[in-house]
Amino acid sequence: GAVVSQHPSRVICKSGTSVKIECRSLDFQATTMFWYRQFPKQSLMLMATSNEGSKATYEQGVEKDKFLINHASLTLSTLTVTSAHPEDSSFYICSVDSANTGELFFGEGSRLTVL
Amino acid sequence: GIQVEQSPPDLILQEGANSTLRCNFSDSVNNLQWFHQNPWGQLINLFYIPSGTKQNGRLSATTVATERYSLLYISSSQTTDSGVYFCAVDHAGGTSYGKLTFGQGTILTVHP
Repeated sequence: GAVVSQHPSRVICKSGTSVKIECRSLDFQATTMFWYRQFPKQSLMLMATSNEGSKATYEQGVEKDKFLINHASLTLSTLTVTSAHPEDSSFYICSVDSANTGELFFGEGSRLTVL
Repeated sequence: GIQVEQSPPDLILQEGANSTLRCNFSDSVNNLQWFHQNPWGQLINLFYIPSGTKQNGRLSATTVATERYSLLYISSSQTTDSGVYFCAVDHAGGTSYGKLTFGQGTILTVHP
């Protein structure tokens, strides 16, 4: 399966600052990557689909101006949480479909804590 | 949207015991995956199984797509099997390929 790497694995920031999370596909050129969010003791929810060379598509209820997604190359997608607030504290995890079969492989995740 | 229900929500076992986890889904699916989320949060792919039966060591899975359920079997459980098990599906009627809807998970605790 695809090897997907995220950075940073943990980040703590002050309220009002912006945080960037990187998702890299190490062995596969991914035209599409998916960003999920997991609140403590809850399941994963799809936030947005990152499309190489074009705008991301966001799920209903996800603010596109708050969660900026850039997919500038076939191996890198970034998620920027702008003006972060404590309620944005969550586990953010990206995934790729390496074989275009729908089987997704996930990165290690990034745990964001906003103070 | 599609609904995914997992049962039981919690399961406590003694090492060596066998268990069955169930995933029910409310509509036709293109794909179904089982994951194990370890204590550090990483999702480990267990099975990609939109239909049929697969086995991998002590784990096996069966999906009966026509009846909209999947089962994950864990035999001879070990303490390292502890964690959260998620079932996730890609809705066949969805607008985009590869977007997974997750169940709420089964929290498995295996005691030595």
